[in-house]
Amino acid sequence: ETGVTQTPRHLVMGMTNKKSLKCEQHLGHNAMYWYKQSAKKPLELMFVYSLEERVENNSVPSRFSPECPNSSHLFLHLHTLQPEDSALYLCASSQDWVALLYNEQFFGPGTRLTVL
Amino acid sequence: KQEVTQIPAALSVPEGENLVLNCSFTDSAIYNLQWFRQDPGKGLTSLLLIQSSQREQTSGRLNASLDKSSGRSTLYIAASQPGDSATYLCAVRRGQAGTALIFGKGTTLSVSS
Repeated sequence: ETGVTQTPRHLVMGMTNKKSLKCEQHLGHNAMYWYKQSAKKPLELMFVYSLEERVENNSVPSRFSPECPNSSHLFLHLHTLQPEDSALYLCASSQDWVALLYNEQFFGPGTRLTVL
Repeated sequence: KQEVTQIPAALSVPEGENLVLNCSFTDSAIYNLQWFRQDPGKGLTSLLLIQSSQREQTSGRLNASLDKSSGRSTLYIAASQPGDSATYLCAVRRGQAGTALIFGKGTTLSVSS
């Protein structure tokens, strides 16, 4: 049973809507990640937070806005999305961002987002 | 730029067969390699993590090997079962502290009973 939860599991939104995805980890980890999984493409890293600070932003459009209020919670705020943003959005956590060894990532079940 | 390739993209086998999934990466300077399983529409479950200094890791019927110098890893599944049907993803952590995983597109496995 995963220690990373995500809500909602499914979301349908129009291009003018504003919505948020939520991720919570119960593992005591210090690093949290947002990934995007589109059909027929590899998982793409979007953002990384370490100790509540954003340490990586992989050229993600500004219509995606992450927030990490504490080390257990991570949000992805969505506004004016495009249909091509429809994908599975996965959250993950790991013990540390800079640890070299045994830094296994644990994933949540994902949010299936459809933009109409 | 690190690229991860998984072959084949899809594989169908009868129950009981042993099988091998392949993963290759272009930059051998990695810290570790991780194999994941993903069931349809769901998140990833970590199967095995191999550090760059290791040659293989085993968990139950799964055995993963790593040849860093040649940029290859294999996931061996013994005595496959219908419950093994899923997409298997390979990911490498780049050879630098504080870097994220680079994923392949995965191999979708179907085991028929």
